[in-house]
Amino acid sequence: GAGVSQSPSNKVTEKGKDVELRCDPISGHTALYWYRQRLGQGLEFLIYFQGNSAPDKSGLPSDRFSAERTGESVSTLTIQRTQQEDSAVYLCATGVGIGEAKETQYFGPGTRLLVL
Amino acid sequence: GIQVEQSPPDLILQEGANSTLRCNFSDSVNNLQWFHQNPWGQLINLFYIPSGTKQNGRLSATTVATERYSLLYISSSQTTDSGVYFCAPGEGGSEKLVFGKGTKLTVNP
Repeated sequence: GAGVSQSPSNKVTEKGKDVELRCDPISGHTALYWYRQRLGQGLEFLIYFQGNSAPDKSGLPSDRFSAERTGESVSTLTIQRTQQEDSAVYLCATGVGIGEAKETQYFGPGTRLLVL
Repeated sequence: GIQVEQSPPDLILQEGANSTLRCNFSDSVNNLQWFHQNPWGQLINLFYIPSGTKQNGRLSATTVATERYSLLYISSSQTTDSGVYFCAPGEGGSEKLVFGKGTKLTVNP
């Protein structure tokens, strides 16, 4: 597609339920990043994929959070046993992964998660 | 980890005015990006600028890596420039961007 897409755009869930968020990268982008943005705040890094491996998972806040990537394609971020403090916008960004262009990140529209 | 401070936190301008946004960071970097988040939440990459100066239309950016700051200049501001501007240096040795808290810009007609 033309840009990074994310689904669902909005998700309301009850505390304790599991949720799965999806990111479809720009075709050919090998690098993929997940971030979290709480209301009125900057972005917090969660995890980075290069291809389907995750060399940097340092931002995942707890073992309730996990992410997978299939090849250089779709990624899913799973939050188990959701808590109210998980409410935020979850943003996915992708990048070319080569040369100077490697560094530039292109963001999707985000998934707005509300945990009741 | 790296610390990022952006100033001012809020800025209100009349259309046509110029502005300078500042980003200070605590460690040397080999990656720094500026983003604009529009009022609907979409983040757009403005510049990849770990050092030097770049210009794109009414926007330009300068990073002085040795002094650990970056500046974003907006000239002849328009209402569509409204939103939050984030500076995000890369944490050394990783692919991770560390975002500042942003500068919220409001441009009034």
